[in-house]
Amino acid sequence: EAAVTQSPRNKVTVTGGNVTLSCRQTNSHNYMYWYRQDTGHGLRLIHYSYGAGNLQIGDVPDGYKATRTTQEDFFLLLELASPSQTSLYFCASSGTGGVYFGPGTRLTVL
Amino acid sequence: GQGVEQPDNLMSVEGTFARVNCTYSTSGFNGLSWYQQREGHAPVFLSYVVLDGLKDSGHFSTFLSRSNGYSYLLLTELQIKDSASYLCAVRDDTNAYKVIFGKGTHLHVLP
Repeated sequence: EAAVTQSPRNKVTVTGGNVTLSCRQTNSHNYMYWYRQDTGHGLRLIHYSYGAGNLQIGDVPDGYKATRTTQEDFFLLLELASPSQTSLYFCASSGTGGVYFGPGTRLTVL
Repeated sequence: GQGVEQPDNLMSVEGTFARVNCTYSTSGFNGLSWYQQREGHAPVFLSYVVLDGLKDSGHFSTFLSRSNGYSYLLLTELQIKDSASYLCAVRDDTNAYKVIFGKGTHLHVLP
């Protein structure tokens, strides 16, 4: 069965800390996405990619970097974490139809 | 402006139906999809439409009108367990196939 996995599932860090969120998909999809979800804002697109080595800027990219190392793997990097980045982060993949989500990572920045 | 809009809340009664509306305004269009999301869980893909008209998938049906920038998700024979948030998303083919989500409509199914 096609799947999107994320790690870690929960993460607590301090202000100024360095965090990497990992995502792997086995859907053979070209597109991968990183979203954050906060109450009152819905899902907001941070970065996305349509293949290994490609990166597209989303709607809320400030404070985030991303890298797509292979078709399967997409990473989100927070190099100087801030409390405003406390959120639920979803990775997702898609082909030409719907978007399939990972289980999410809950990040808390103290 | 550009974006995807949905009402925040919708209430309906068990055994009846609910129609979740979505309007969008984007530079380009390459399909619209619907998702169910329960509290604390990831969105789950329900339906994808790219052509105008009604797509009947049993418990869930989806309507699209591209000229009006409008879609709805119709849930029939509602059950209490259908209470959840329903998200609409549009793929914009003028923007590297970016997928833009609405904030979601929270459906409350009453007994």
